[in-house]
Amino acid sequence: NAGVTQTPKFQVLKTGQSMTLQCAQDMNHEYMSWYRQDPGMGLRLIHYSVGAGITDQGEVPNGYNVSRSTTEDFPLRLLSAAPSQTSVYFCASYRVETDTEAFFGQGTRLTVV
Amino acid sequence: KQEVTQIPAALSVPEGENLVLNCSFTDSAIYNLQWFRQDPGKGLTSLLLIQSSQREQTSGRLNASLDKSSGRSTLYIAASQPGDSATYLCHCSGAGGTSYGKLTFGQGTILTVHP
Repeated sequence: NAGVTQTPKFQVLKTGQSMTLQCAQDMNHEYMSWYRQDPGMGLRLIHYSVGAGITDQGEVPNGYNVSRSTTEDFPLRLLSAAPSQTSVYFCASYRVETDTEAFFGQGTRLTVV
Repeated sequence: KQEVTQIPAALSVPEGENLVLNCSFTDSAIYNLQWFRQDPGKGLTSLLLIQSSQREQTSGRLNASLDKSSGRSTLYIAASQPGDSATYLCHCSGAGGTSYGKLTFGQGTILTVHP
């Protein structure tokens, strides 16, 4: 049982390049979400999904795209990377129930130069 | 919209002290509240999950309480050790309105325990 697998762990991009951060879970959770973590700001929600084919914007969605074609996978796409997108990105997987904890990937440290 | 605040932003204590970290939230419609620790440059390690119907949870030297009516949770760390030094984060799982199904995080408390 791998939980939440997030790749890559580190990435350096040039301004204007595009890339996809991968996130996969094997717990059959209906909810998945992406966060970015910047110093002193906690984790801020980028996009989330309530099931295959259903996504919605979070607090800071600009510059990012998502899709959810399967329950297991929730990739995050940076369309045209900007230095302001330098951050640490976390993917989460969870159920909306009282007794179920949320699980997180190990994070992707992205630097845009 | 759910807002989560953690106080203090940073805390430095000598080894052996008992300490309290605070997490407050504006919307009491939550499924649960979860506490994490994060070591520098690392991921999130889950510490405790408190269900909305529970008042507290304990794990070893850690005790977390929840008071939904006042919108507060506290994480109590007994007999602190240098190995407890980390950033502590809380999040709420929304159960109503525009926060339904979303995990809302506080900004974290940076804890330093010095020998």
